[in-house]
Amino acid sequence: KAGVTQTPRYLIKTRGQQVTLSCSPISGHRSVSWYQQTPGQGLQFLFEYFSETQRNKGNFPGRFSGRQFSNSRSEMNVSTLELGDSALYLCASSPDVGQTFTEAFFGQGTRLTVV
Amino acid sequence: AQTVTQSQPEMSVQEAETVTLSCTYDTSESDYYLFWYKQPPSRQMILVIRQEAYKQQNATENRFSVNFQKAAKSFSLKISDSQLGDAAMYFCAYNTNAGKSTFGDGTTLTVKP
Repeated sequence: KAGVTQTPRYLIKTRGQQVTLSCSPISGHRSVSWYQQTPGQGLQFLFEYFSETQRNKGNFPGRFSGRQFSNSRSEMNVSTLELGDSALYLCASSPDVGQTFTEAFFGQGTRLTVV
Repeated sequence: AQTVTQSQPEMSVQEAETVTLSCTYDTSESDYYLFWYKQPPSRQMILVIRQEAYKQQNATENRFSVNFQKAAKSFSLKISDSQLGDAAMYFCAYNTNAGKSTFGDGTTLTVKP
């Protein structure tokens, strides 16, 4: 079974631009979560999508948004990029069978640098 | 709000020795899950071990074991017979709602040959 795939792996953007990151979960996984990882703030939860609906949301400004498609693939969008958005963005998927949570399977991340 | 605290930013261990990484958490929930993840320099987060709060028995996975103290809200990770490949950043994580995990700030483990 293929793991969680995130594209692109590396990205350099200019302040003020917008960016879209993609995440393909493990086949059969319906829950996709996004995290921002920075040296100073650790791993911060952005949001989670389940069956095309945002089920959980972290404390990030509205510039951060996401969506999930019917095949469970998810995209994350950041508009009006700021220097502080430079980070490793991690995507994780989980099977979410009923109410039983097993574990989150992580992708390798997208390293975003804003200049 | 749930919080996870890892009080040891850095730890080091001699190869073949044992090391314990600490984690405490704060929650008002009675049913939840706790995890230890390993993040090597490649940045791939890998699950090391998981513990369901309703289980009193401590989880064990080969050389990795936990000491889960529910009343004290403590969840430490013990690595026995440390190997060079164990060098990584280790994150303690809490989850009560599928899809949203709260992570500690991580502990960087160095293994000395």
